[in-house]
Amino acid sequence: QKEVEQNSGPLSVPEGAIASLNCTYSDRGSQSFFWYRQYSGKSPELIMFIYSNGDKEDGRFTAQLNKASQYVSLLIRDSQPSDSATYLCAVRPAGGFKTIFGAGTRLFVKA
Amino acid sequence: ETGVTQSPTHLIKTRGQQVTLRCSSQSGHNTVSWYQQALGQGPQFIFQYYREEENGRGNFPPRFSGLQFPNYSSELNVNALELDDSALYLCASSLIQLAGSYEQYFGPGTRLTVT
Repeated sequence: QKEVEQNSGPLSVPEGAIASLNCTYSDRGSQSFFWYRQYSGKSPELIMFIYSNGDKEDGRFTAQLNKASQYVSLLIRDSQPSDSATYLCAVRPAGGFKTIFGAGTRLFVKA
Repeated sequence: ETGVTQSPTHLIKTRGQQVTLRCSSQSGHNTVSWYQQALGQGPQFIFQYYREEENGRGNFPPRFSGLQFPNYSSELNVNALELDDSALYLCASSLIQLAGSYEQYFGPGTRLTVT
């Protein structure tokens, strides 16, 4: 079992729709959770972080964390073609230094 | 822009050679982590430096080594390069204060090709 699992996609959604990206993790001691966006040929860009159970909203992005189910998700509302990228889920244990990344989900937003 | 810079942008080396990659962290940050990202994969943690000392290490052999300087800039050194070392090398800058969560911000990366 991989430590952080994501569906590789591609996930294709029409412009204006909600894109839902999911991630599961294996270490129950995980405390910090991150979503990065990575455009082709570029480095990852931090778009959301969440440390407590529940929802966290920032503009068009909402991160959802359920520690009991070891599940974290990212919702992108009003998806735009510029949101087309690979989205990386990352997890870090409590007091840890090692951040573990999933392989990423490719999102394609059709105009 | 994160304020994290890396050099060089691209590099081509021959198997068996040695390489040094450089990173300048964001102003006010005290921690640098290095990652290797192969094509189609997520970044893999190499090691982290905090206050000039290695704070933790991933599953990479000793030929991967690093330094952090008093100004919090950092170097990644790789000896005896192998073809599988071809990847994007990412530096991530953070501010760690006591215990607790922290965010990491990546530089633009160095694309290393080993032939």
